[in-house]
Amino acid sequence: EDQVTQSPEALRLQEGESSSLNCSYTVSGLRGLFWYRQDPGKGPEFLFTLYSAGEEKEKERLKATLTKKESFLHITAPKPEDSATYLCAVLSRGNTGTASKLTFGTGTRLQVTL
Amino acid sequence: NAGVTQTPKFQVLKTGQSMTLQCAQDMNHEYMSWYRQDPGMGLRLIHYSVGAGITDQGEVPNGYNVSRSTTEDFPLRLLSAAPSQTSVYFCASMSNWGASGLFFGEGSRLTVL
Repeated sequence: EDQVTQSPEALRLQEGESSSLNCSYTVSGLRGLFWYRQDPGKGPEFLFTLYSAGEEKEKERLKATLTKKESFLHITAPKPEDSATYLCAVLSRGNTGTASKLTFGTGTRLQVTL
Repeated sequence: NAGVTQTPKFQVLKTGQSMTLQCAQDMNHEYMSWYRQDPGMGLRLIHYSVGAGITDQGEVPNGYNVSRSTTEDFPLRLLSAAPSQTSVYFCASMSNWGASGLFFGEGSRLTVL
């Protein structure tokens, strides 16, 4: 069974204080790892897709990296508008044999204060 | 483009009632799925489909039915609502290659009394 564990559950940072969120996973046949941002009352919003160990993606103050067992979302000099829940998900082969099952972690709630 | 559209946004049911949550996407995505999100539990997969006529169970399928007669629509049916089904439900779609990730609807908040 695919498993995704995110840590910490909650993180409070001051504006400008860089940090990293962790996503560790156990999956058979990893086809991709996704990061999402979710604001209260909204659906998750896609951030990044990573496919293989060593891969990195960047967007503004966010940088996602991937190893064979975990992924990190690095937040550099965060601002209050970066406050949200960040979700990690792994894409694996489903029962039909195609890449069709996405399993989510429980997320990290990030709060950035002035 | 509308993306992924879910209706209704809010619904209150009594125990034992049935209802259907509607989901439609206009991106010609083959893959569609339903998740429920509960505090402390994260997003849990209920059912998914890789194309018209093909569906499969996710992590928490009991009490829910789905069908996929067209590429665009993927309704979720609650057969006999229970208080344990009180949750926020998200429909999501993506191309089978998945490079752009899942596109989510805005969610449907369901309360079962």
